[in-house]
Amino acid sequence: ETGVTQSPTHLIKTRGQQVTLRCSSQSGHNTVSWYQQALGQGPQFIFQYYREEENGRGNFPPRFSGLQFPNYSSELNVNALELDDSALYLCASSMLRGSGDSAETQYFGPGTRLLVL
Amino acid sequence: AQKITQTQPGMFVQEKEAVTLDCTYDTSDQSYGLFWYKQPSSGEMIFLIYQGSYDEQNATEGRYSLNFQKARKSANLVISASQLGDSAMYFCAMRESTGGGNKLTFGTGTQLKVEL
Repeated sequence: ETGVTQSPTHLIKTRGQQVTLRCSSQSGHNTVSWYQQALGQGPQFIFQYYREEENGRGNFPPRFSGLQFPNYSSELNVNALELDDSALYLCASSMLRGSGDSAETQYFGPGTRLLVL
Repeated sequence: AQKITQTQPGMFVQEKEAVTLDCTYDTSDQSYGLFWYKQPSSGEMIFLIYQGSYDEQNATEGRYSLNFQKARKSANLVISASQLGDSAMYFCAMRESTGGGNKLTFGTGTQLKVEL
């Protein structure tokens, strides 16, 4: 067990709706990264939050947004849902010791399975 | 941009045998990190092992070892004494700096099935 939790575990939405996914990081960690994993593929990086600021972003449109709170928990928000947003959304917690920390290991939560109809 | 290649979509191994899962990578960075994760059908990505690009010794964690060949840009995972519970999808990943933070770039995975 990594101590990283995500909610909800499963979610069904319809196209055009908005969704919020939540992640609680492991105790002592200050960084949360979000990944999208489509069926049969490896996870794709969405963005990373470090000390409540976005700290890197993958190739995802602006309708994917996020927040990190003072307790280092995080939310992923997706607006105007599309059918292709159906995926497993994984949150990963880590401890960044500073910019360019080369020893960071990311520990993943159980994921949220989102189905868009 | 970095790239991870896993050429084995599926592998079978008998219980108690050793198995090697292949991973090659492509990067122009001098400093990088390589990871292996296990993903059971439940979906959670479980960290197995890490190898830094400057580490001279191959990483080991219990029954897992990483065969790091820097010149060949390969980072194969070796699982010794396979167990039924090792049946899962295995992903190789590389850490890439995003200019302040880090992201992981994953391969397409290898589905491992351990048989009696």
